[in-house]
Amino acid sequence: GENVEQHPSTLSVQEGDSAVIKCTYSDSASNYFPWYKQELGKRPQLIIDIRSNVGEKKDQRIAVTLNKTAKHFSLHITETQPEDSAVYFCAASINTNAGKSTFGDGTTLTVKP
Amino acid sequence: NAGVTQTPKFQVLKTGQSMTLQCAQDMNHNSMYWYRQDPGMGLRLIYYSASEGTTDKGEVPNGYNVSRLNKREFSLRLESAAPSQTSVYFCASSEFGRAGANVLTFGAGSRLTVL
Repeated sequence: GENVEQHPSTLSVQEGDSAVIKCTYSDSASNYFPWYKQELGKRPQLIIDIRSNVGEKKDQRIAVTLNKTAKHFSLHITETQPEDSAVYFCAASINTNAGKSTFGDGTTLTVKP
Repeated sequence: NAGVTQTPKFQVLKTGQSMTLQCAQDMNHNSMYWYRQDPGMGLRLIYYSASEGTTDKGEVPNGYNVSRLNKREFSLRLESAAPSQTSVYFCASSEFGRAGANVLTFGAGSRLTVL
């Protein structure tokens, strides 16, 4: 089955700095890569996603890049703010009906004011 | 529009007791999932239901059973709880086709402690 590795497990940055979280996946059939943000005590929520026919996607301060050949994808957050502090999960799935998502172990991001 | 609702929010069990976690969604989604979340281990899929009437095992199905009661409801049962099942459980649903992506909508979570 699919295996997703996520690094780093913890990340601390100063407000205004950039943060990068990286994930690798094992199944070359995976073609959908979402990122979820989970604030303390809350449910995970989708923040951005990318499909395998796209190399990069941006949404304001967040961006995701995908390298299909190397089987890795990354989340980039620019101009970080304290409210970006949360646990971020990457996931990989085959984008079909009920495509099972395999999650990375999560990255705890702390943005210091 | 409530989204995904799961009950109970908190539960304490003794080893060997049984219980059922309930989940309902009002988004007319076809697919529903149960994940467990343990510290440092991300979200692991227990069981899923691609559509009403079908269920399949995920990564960590041992010790659990599920029922897809109808399109809205998907329950998770622990027949004989063990301390290793202490975790936070999330129900989720998805509708492939919306923007062409299998986006998961999660419930608020159920924190289960087995003593």
